[in-house]
Amino acid sequence: GAGVSQSPSNKVTEKGKDVELRCDPISGHTALYWYRQSLGQGLEFLIYFQGNSAPDKSGLPSDRFSAERTGGSVSTLTIQRTQQEDSAVYLCASSADRNYGYTFGSGTRLTVV
Amino acid sequence: KQEVTQIPAALSVPEGENLVLNCSFTDSAIYNLQWFRQDPGKGLTSLLLIQSSQREQTSGRLNASLDKSSGRSTLYIAASQPGDSATYLCAVNSSGSRLTFGEGTQLTVNP
Repeated sequence: GAGVSQSPSNKVTEKGKDVELRCDPISGHTALYWYRQSLGQGLEFLIYFQGNSAPDKSGLPSDRFSAERTGGSVSTLTIQRTQQEDSAVYLCASSADRNYGYTFGSGTRLTVV
Repeated sequence: KQEVTQIPAALSVPEGENLVLNCSFTDSAIYNLQWFRQDPGKGLTSLLLIQSSQREQTSGRLNASLDKSSGRSTLYIAASQPGDSATYLCAVNSSGSRLTFGEGTQLTVNP
């Protein structure tokens, strides 16, 4: 597609449930980031994928969070046993090469009630 | 560890003014620096990308400069308009993997 696509755009879930957030990067982009942005806060790095290299998971806040990237394309961020503090906008970005900058999706707004 | 700071945190100006947003970073070993705009409840829109070898980039009324040795970048907006109201984010792409963001400058342009 022409841009980075994220789904769903909005997700309301009950505390304790698992959720999956999806990111479709721009075709051919080898680098993919996940960030989250809590209300009124800056962007918090979660995880970074670059080609076939092992992902940089150093930003994942707890072991309830995991992410995978299948076939070097689509990525899924999974949050298990959601908590209210997980409520945030989850943003995905991709890049063909670090020299070309990053393109962001519109995000998934997650609300845990 | 790269740290990025943006000043001011918020700025309110009357329409038509020229303005400067500031970004500073602690580690000068960068690949590039990217300025983004974020409207409320929306994702990030890329405005300008400056490579480490470049001094400035221009797009319309926007001009971004980079002084890598001093760890600073500025975003200059000429003849500001109410439609420029948004949060402006500076992101530094450093050696290694992480794209590091500043906290942003919230700009309000009053008609």
